[in-house]
Amino acid sequence: DTEVTQTPKHLVMGMTNKKSLKCEQHMGHRAMYWYKQKAKKPPELMFVYSYEKLSINESVPSRFSPECPNSSLLNLHLHALQPEDSALYLCASSLSRSSGRSNEQFFGPGTRLTVL
Amino acid sequence: AQKVTQAQTEISVVEKEDVTLDCVYETRDTTYYLFWYKQPPSGELVFLIRRNSFDEQNEISGRYSWNFQKSTSSFNFTITASQVVDSAVYFCAQNNYGQNFVFGPGTRLSVLP
Repeated sequence: DTEVTQTPKHLVMGMTNKKSLKCEQHMGHRAMYWYKQKAKKPPELMFVYSYEKLSINESVPSRFSPECPNSSLLNLHLHALQPEDSALYLCASSLSRSSGRSNEQFFGPGTRLTVL
Repeated sequence: AQKVTQAQTEISVVEKEDVTLDCVYETRDTTYYLFWYKQPPSGELVFLIRRNSFDEQNEISGRYSWNFQKSTSSFNFTITASQVVDSAVYFCAQNNYGQNFVFGPGTRLSVLP
């Protein structure tokens, strides 16, 4: 199984809502990532989890809250978002962060988020 | 500091033409990795290839080929006999050992029938 799955595919939410994005992989990868991608731009790294511990937070506002319940699951909790947070949110995983042998990241299909 | 440049913002070709996507990278490390990803309209980034800095052999996979030249810090990607299904945004990326990915801005390829 070389797949990263993400739910939901689309999400529309108001600025006062609370929602969560989910990501799952069963490749035995120990590093998982959240990226944000605006239209016509490359993905921007938000968070990195390594062995279920948050290792990088790229100065992301606190209205985005990541969670890694176990080595296969990654969540992104959303609260009080702004319209400018509308974007494609991509989850990725890799064997590990430091392995030189196989550090390519595998991406999920993304969640297209619209904040009204 | 790391940086990836993809000078071609958009390319349009007619089906069956060959097309080369350019990628130039900057890094001070001697150990680093280069990648190409394809992002079709559906949104998912599809991994195409990984190269490490010690392996300058060119690679061919079907209609795809990659030319890695350390002397010019380039890692170019050629699609031979392009097809409409090749239409996508292609990202070149680079990372150093244990570090984050740095993506280039992407090249949007349109293959017209």
